[in-house]
Amino acid sequence: GEDVEQSLFLSVREGDSSVINCTYTDSSSTYLYWYKQEPGAGLQLLTYIFSNMDMKQDQRLTVLLNKKDKHLSLRIADTQTGDSAIYFCAETYNQGGKLIFGQGTELSVKP
Amino acid sequence: NAGVMQNPRHLVRRRGQEARLRCSPMKGHSHVYWYRQLPEEGLKFMVYLQKENIIDESGMPKERFSAEFPKEGPSILRIQQVVRGDSAAYFCASSPLKQGGDTQYFGPGTRLTVL
Repeated sequence: GEDVEQSLFLSVREGDSSVINCTYTDSSSTYLYWYKQEPGAGLQLLTYIFSNMDMKQDQRLTVLLNKKDKHLSLRIADTQTGDSAIYFCAETYNQGGKLIFGQGTELSVKP
Repeated sequence: NAGVMQNPRHLVRRRGQEARLRCSPMKGHSHVYWYRQLPEEGLKFMVYLQKENIIDESGMPKERFSAEFPKEGPSILRIQQVVRGDSAAYFCASSPLKQGGDTQYFGPGTRLTVL
């Protein structure tokens, strides 16, 4: 079945690292994505990783993929107040274009 | 290159009315996806269209909802005889490739409120 799970809330202090976790159930997932949604706005693509990769780094963002455990994480280094938002992980498969989203993790960054 | 455009951004309808939501994909993108976000929830896939074709409508409610992506003009998501439970944010995304797996770029959404 298709299911993506995320913890709902994360609170960190400005300057700390944030780690947002995601688990998925379908081993045929080929692409995994992280999107950011600010209040009242659409989704902004942050980064993505192919299923044959273990890690991808892009400036302050590091994505780790553990295919064996079906676990994806997003690490934000030096978290800033502007990073406060809801973060969604999503997966897709070869046979269809639809994205399956987790329920989102609300990141709160305290000064 | 303009991003994905959606209009209106906010739409208020009374129960029983029709709602029409429009989506113009990014230039060069011929694949459009519609998602619905209920309050406090993640996005749920509704339908995937290519020009003049519905590719996957597995997430569409069986009644009252329809979608099209004509050869010319924007994609339209139509909800007939709206009910309060239709209140949600509706997001459109577009991608350039024929088959799924390529990155989808999202529009700002249309927030539908049914009174």
